[in-house]
Amino acid sequence: AQKITQTQPGMFVQEKEAVTLDCTYDTSDPSYGLFWYKQPSSGEMIFLIYQGSYDQQNATEGRYSLNFQKARKSANLVISASQLGDSAMYFCAMREGRVGNDMRFGAGTRLTVKP
Amino acid sequence: EPEVTQTPSHQVTQMGQEVILRCVPISNHLYFYWYRQILGQKVEFLVSFYNNEISEKSEIFDDQFSVERPDGSNFTLKIRSTKLEDSAMYFCASSEEHHPNEQFFGPGTRLTVL
Repeated sequence: AQKITQTQPGMFVQEKEAVTLDCTYDTSDPSYGLFWYKQPSSGEMIFLIYQGSYDQQNATEGRYSLNFQKARKSANLVISASQLGDSAMYFCAMREGRVGNDMRFGAGTRLTVKP
Repeated sequence: EPEVTQTPSHQVTQMGQEVILRCVPISNHLYFYWYRQILGQKVEFLVSFYNNEISEKSEIFDDQFSVERPDGSNFTLKIRSTKLEDSAMYFCASSEEHHPNEQFFGPGTRLTVL
């Protein structure tokens, strides 16, 4: 069974600094996708970044990058140049196999950006 | 910018009653999803829908749940006989065929079962 672990319930970062949010996963399926979502206090879920298990390069989207270490089964999110608006819950998620399959979420990390 | 919409934003119901949560996915999207998030807990996948049929469902999605795409725009989640533990935020999401991994979430419907 697939499993997602986020070991940091809360993180603090100074504005303009970079921060890494940890995510490890466990699966026996060679084909899977890894996702990060942001949930601000308003409650909506915002897609940030996706990494496929067969992708050769780490995914990047603007200030977000995914540090994908396949052998270690980790998919950490790196946010560069943190902004106050980055304060939110961040969820890592994994889907095994094809689009439409069950997606499992981690427990989340609450990031607080300090001015 | 197109967005997923959900109605109502908050639904209060009595235990045992049926509820229908409504979603309007982004118009050219073909994959549809329902998730729920019990207050303070992780997001849980309920069901995915593609090509007018359920693609995958989780163990949470038992016989009390059903989904429907009654017309070309709406996507509904029905809970037949609500239980107290169904109280949660329910999110609808959709994605397009060419970028299926980028799911756009709606703002959610908060369901409170009394």
